[in-house]
Amino acid sequence: SAVISQKPSRDICQRGTSLTIQCQVDSQVTMMFWYRQQPGQSLTLIATANQGSEATYESGFVIDKFPISRPNLTFSTLTVSNMSPEDSSIYLCSVDPQGRGSYGYTFGSGTRLTVV
Amino acid sequence: RKEVEQDPGPFNVPEGATVAFNCTYSNSASQSFFWYRQDCRKEPKLLMSVYSSGNEDGRFTAQLNRASQYISLLIRDSKLSDSATYLCVVNTGRRALTFGSGTRLQVQP
Repeated sequence: SAVISQKPSRDICQRGTSLTIQCQVDSQVTMMFWYRQQPGQSLTLIATANQGSEATYESGFVIDKFPISRPNLTFSTLTVSNMSPEDSSIYLCSVDPQGRGSYGYTFGSGTRLTVV
Repeated sequence: RKEVEQDPGPFNVPEGATVAFNCTYSNSASQSFFWYRQDCRKEPKLLMSVYSSGNEDGRFTAQLNRASQYISLLIRDSKLSDSATYLCVVNTGRRALTFGSGTRLQVQP
């Protein structure tokens, strides 16, 4: 399975600022997925990042708030913009190493964001 | 209605007990099914895939009933180290995964 390096592991940010989260995969993958896990909740998909095209956002998430870059098949970033305390969550990236949707997906270790 | 529904628990069981978790999903076109385990403050990790024929991995057995849109996980001879949140996860064919809210298990000595 793929190994994902996610940075930063945690951060405390002032409201109104932005934070960029990076995920580096040790193999080429077609799609990378970004999830949010709010305190005490399960994972919610933010968007799917495709190399060479714009990310696909889920209902309730917009590009202005969560811009995503996918410059190549091993790297992606998610930016949380103009942060408010409601953005305090764990953000995780994920990949489908087999590219078939039928096997287990791998997750980064997560970024624990606190907005004050 | 949520796409994937689980009993949040917590399930408090003694060591050595057998415990079962259930999950239902709403999209009949769902194609792949998984159980993930998430420890406190950690990322989810794949526990096992779930097949219609059922599958077993040591003390863990997973079952899928497509007709009832129902998934189960059975843990036998519970260990303290099994304490975690167990996430029922479905791939509806969109390539991204849909997660249940998780069932918390606490195994007590």
